[in-house]
Amino acid sequence: RKEVEQDPGPFNVPEGATVAFNCTYSNSASQSFFWYRQDCRKEPKLLMSVYSSGNEDGRFTAQLNRASQYISLLIRDSKLSDSATYLCVVYGGFQKLVFGTGTRLLVSP
Amino acid sequence: GAVVSQHPSWVICKSGTSVKIECRSLDFQATTMFWYRQFPKQSLMLMATSNEGSKATYEQGVEKDKFLINHASLTLSTLTVTSAHPEDSSFYICSAPGRQKLSGANVLTFGAGSRLTVL
Repeated sequence: RKEVEQDPGPFNVPEGATVAFNCTYSNSASQSFFWYRQDCRKEPKLLMSVYSSGNEDGRFTAQLNRASQYISLLIRDSKLSDSATYLCVVYGGFQKLVFGTGTRLLVSP
Repeated sequence: GAVVSQHPSWVICKSGTSVKIECRSLDFQATTMFWYRQFPKQSLMLMATSNEGSKATYEQGVEKDKFLINHASLTLSTLTVTSAHPEDSSFYICSAPGRQKLSGANVLTFGAGSRLTVL
């Protein structure tokens, strides 16, 4: 079983739609969780950290369920510029991050 | 914020040659640098962890004699792909750890990546 698993997609949604991604992780000792965004042929960029209580940043909401070991990202009012691959990232200690394969989002006009 | 400068951004080389990729932390000291590799449509895979002034730690399955890592200063880490072959063609990305100011969470600052194509 992979340490971090994501549905690769692609998720095809129209502008303005709400879309949600889930991610599961296998290491129950994982300490921190993040969502990164990666555009084609570019480096990953931090989108947001994921806190136990859930957190929101504008149109983006992240949630963590430690009991079920999954993380979610909700994007409201999708924009064309949201088209990218969203990487679920888990910090397992020793400064090592484990990346999921990413979920590809395509927002169409 | 913290910036990691990575060069070259892309390189094409002949099979059998060696390629060096540099990563510099521009406004902070990076005692640790992580090197990742990403094949098309796959996740970033950690190759090795370089530590300033000591030997790099390689992940299982990564040949240390093929992927030479040097971290001679607090601001520079290099990855040399020796005797490159077409199967080494990939996207190589370095990153340095830091702490997010607001949350204190551990985050990584990535270089822009180096796309290697071996003919």
